[in-house]
Amino acid sequence: KQEVTQIPAALSVPEGENLVLNCSFTDSAIYNLQWFRQDPGKGLTSLLLIQSSQREQTSGRLNASLDKSSGRSTLYIAASQPGDSATYLCAVRPWTGANNLFFGTGTRLTVIP
Amino acid sequence: EPEVTQTPSHQVTQMGQEVILRCVPISNHLYFYWYRQILGQKVEFLVSFYNNEISEKSEIFDDQFSVERPDGSNFTLKIRSTKLEDSAMYFCASIRDNEKLFFGSGTQLSVL
Repeated sequence: KQEVTQIPAALSVPEGENLVLNCSFTDSAIYNLQWFRQDPGKGLTSLLLIQSSQREQTSGRLNASLDKSSGRSTLYIAASQPGDSATYLCAVRPWTGANNLFFGTGTRLTVIP
Repeated sequence: EPEVTQTPSHQVTQMGQEVILRCVPISNHLYFYWYRQILGQKVEFLVSFYNNEISEKSEIFDDQFSVERPDGSNFTLKIRSTKLEDSAMYFCASIRDNEKLFFGSGTQLSVL
């Protein structure tokens, strides 16, 4: 069964700093990987989707990379802002089956003004 | 931007009672899902629904759970006889095809 791990569980950085969040998964037979943002008591917002054939995706200050063979993905946030404070989740879709996702436990990010 | 809408936002029920959680997926989406998140734990897949039938379900989705798309817009999750361990945030999600999954804001279910 696919296991998704995120390190660190929590991260606190000063505003303006660049940071990297890590995600690892045990089964490299994935269809795609998504990074989500979750604010307290709210739903999940998809930030970036990387297909298995892709190496990275960028959206504004966010850049996600995927190394499928080593079972790793990173989310890079440039010039962090207090509004980036949230929990970031990565989720993988297995190659087989319907579009069900396996989620990591998330990294809780706090950006200090 | 279109949204997945869930109601109610909070539901409190007594153990053994039936609950129905409601969702309105994005109108041109074809695949619908229920996920749940127990406090402090991972988001877990429950069930996927396509073409008016269940396409996949997890071990969590036992006989106490059912899903229905009673009309062209609503998608519901029913728990027949709630248990304490069913307390969680339940998320509905939808997707058109192999794109980003859109989630609703969730229903916080508390079973007393």
